[in-house]
Amino acid sequence: ETGVTQTPRHLVMGMTNKKSLKCEQHLGHNAMYWYKQSAKKPLELMFVYSLEERVENNSVPSRFSPECPNSSHLFLHLHTLQPEDSALYLCASSPNSQGPSGGETQYFGPGTRLLVL
Amino acid sequence: SQKIEQNSEALNIQEGKTATLTCNYTNYSPAYLQWYRQDPGRGPVFLLLIRENEKEKRKERLKVTFDTTLKQSLFHITASQPADSATYLCAPAYSSASKIIFGSGTRLSIRP
Repeated sequence: ETGVTQTPRHLVMGMTNKKSLKCEQHLGHNAMYWYKQSAKKPLELMFVYSLEERVENNSVPSRFSPECPNSSHLFLHLHTLQPEDSALYLCASSPNSQGPSGGETQYFGPGTRLLVL
Repeated sequence: SQKIEQNSEALNIQEGKTATLTCNYTNYSPAYLQWYRQDPGRGPVFLLLIRENEKEKRKERLKVTFDTTLKQSLFHITASQPADSATYLCAPAYSSASKIIFGSGTRLSIRP
């Protein structure tokens, strides 16, 4: 678990607040991911970065804004969120982004539990 | 679109027995399939990976099978222990989509 760290672990915010989630990986990986996990729903892939370039954006609302300044750090900037955005936000990394060759295991952080009031 | 189905109900097993979890997928066969374990409030942890040309993979008390005819993967934990209690996620990966898709998971409880 110490390979991928996330801060904060818990966050409560109002709908008008602006906050950021931070993820850091110490594994030397080239790809990083943001997932959303709501109760009793599958993990939803939000964003994929490969070598600091965004390669996937799964129709995520613009109130979520990712940033990847380097291959070790990933941020998720939040503003004007809705109560339905309350969920566990998970960051993950893998050696490379998924490709036809496959075999890319993902390493997850502990997540940030977000509550939007 | 691809659909991944895991045992929708929680699975309760007596300690020492073998737990078997099911993962079914529709349409295309994945290039490979992974199983992860997730404890409450924590991120998933990788357990095993099996490729489409492999029938079975083992790691200590864990065994995964992959049947492309049935479009199904089974995950077995032998000699189950209360510490095995967790949610187990099936995650097929499709080369066409270049990404992993996660199932909703099966919650496993091992009672002493």
